[in-house]
Amino acid sequence: DAGITQSPRHKVTETGTPVTLRCHQTENHRYMYWYRQDPGHGLRLIHYSYGVKDTDKGEVSDGYSVSRSKTEDFLLTLESATSSQTSVYFCAIRESGTGVNTEAFFGQGTRLTVV
Amino acid sequence: AQKVTQAQTEISVVEKEDVTLDCVYETRDTTYYLFWYKQPPSGELVFLIRRNSFDEQNEISGRYSWNFQKSTSSFNFTITASQVVDSAVYFCALSELTTGTASKLTFGTGTRLQVTL
Repeated sequence: DAGITQSPRHKVTETGTPVTLRCHQTENHRYMYWYRQDPGHGLRLIHYSYGVKDTDKGEVSDGYSVSRSKTEDFLLTLESATSSQTSVYFCAIRESGTGVNTEAFFGQGTRLTVV
Repeated sequence: AQKVTQAQTEISVVEKEDVTLDCVYETRDTTYYLFWYKQPPSGELVFLIRRNSFDEQNEISGRYSWNFQKSTSSFNFTITASQVVDSAVYFCALSELTTGTASKLTFGTGTRLQVTL
């Protein structure tokens, strides 16, 4: 199994509070991604990273920020959590090279509930 | 912009039936990759197959087979003699070359397959 760990695995938080999810990899892969999974929407890309301090937005980035200060860690922050951000969040990693032809490996997911 | 459509939201079959999951994609690139993932009830995402845009050969792996047709922009997945353990949500995904230094992996909305006895 790919060495990718998400923490926490479950979290309940109140509306308006900041929340940070962590993705940690031991594979030294260049590319890292944050997705959210919601019924009827599949997996939607929030943000991704192509190196330390190199990040870009995905299709549903509003209300989220990311940071990657080390190759192994990719943090997702909900600046002020809202109920619409209740979801299952997945982190993924991909090998280097062009990043096109390699499959992504996923973490176990984080179930976040905003009340 | 890249897009993946899985029009079948949910499919129910009886064990031992064959079932095909459809995947239609849109891309402006000539170089791209297509993927299938499985998400069983336990929730993890499992990689099944990768196919590049220059290889239209069909692939078979045990009871699983994939049919890639560039002419119709489709990458369909067939399970032969389905089993209860095949019950899962299946995702098709697309990765383009020209999205810059960080290639996005775009997923379809998934097809939930329910196999019953």
